[in-house]
Amino acid sequence: NAGVTQTPKFQVLKTGQSMTLQCAQDMNHNSMYWYRQDPGMGLRLIYYSASEGTTDKGEVPNGYNVSRLNKREFSLRLESAAPSQTSVYFCASSEQERGPYEQYFGPGTRLTVT
Amino acid sequence: AQTVTQSQPEMSVQEAETVTLSCTYDTSESDYYLFWYKQPPSRQMILVIRQEAYKQQNATENRFSVNFQKAAKSFSLKISDSQLGDAAMYFCAYRSANAGGTSYGKLTFGQGTILTVHP
Repeated sequence: NAGVTQTPKFQVLKTGQSMTLQCAQDMNHNSMYWYRQDPGMGLRLIYYSASEGTTDKGEVPNGYNVSRLNKREFSLRLESAAPSQTSVYFCASSEQERGPYEQYFGPGTRLTVT
Repeated sequence: AQTVTQSQPEMSVQEAETVTLSCTYDTSESDYYLFWYKQPPSRQMILVIRQEAYKQQNATENRFSVNFQKAAKSFSLKISDSQLGDAAMYFCAYRSANAGGTSYGKLTFGQGTILTVHP
């Protein structure tokens, strides 16, 4: 089991460029999440997908879109990157949205917007 | 909305000693879950321990244990016999157990505590 994989691991964008962060899990989990991590602020939820076919906004959704392509894959798109989106992005998955299920995290993507 | 506060930005401990990391949270809910995650320099988030609010007994996982005080809304992590590999950023996190609502399933994280272990 690879667990949760993310691509790319590092990315540098210019302001206004677009890109898609890819995430895949091989644990047959129903729920998937995108977080961003900024210094001194912990991780904050951007979007989540409770199950295949559904997506919902989290705490900081502005400037992002997501697609739950199938049960395995959940992508995060930046349509027009801004310096404020410089951050480390984590994808996570869990068996169910309910219950004490652990969220398993990917290795993260460090994104710099210049 | 729930909030999680870790008031210690940095902590240090000598190898083989014990250290306690503090976490407080604010919620109006009675049913929830609390977690401690470890983030080493590799950036990988690793679950250390979890606590279900309805359980009075404090969770333990080998050298890691928690002191869960529900009335005080406090959830501290104790690391015994500290090892060099314990050096990392530690995050406390809260998750609602209530059905429905926009917070369902979401983890709310504290700001993190950097733990340094001295040989």
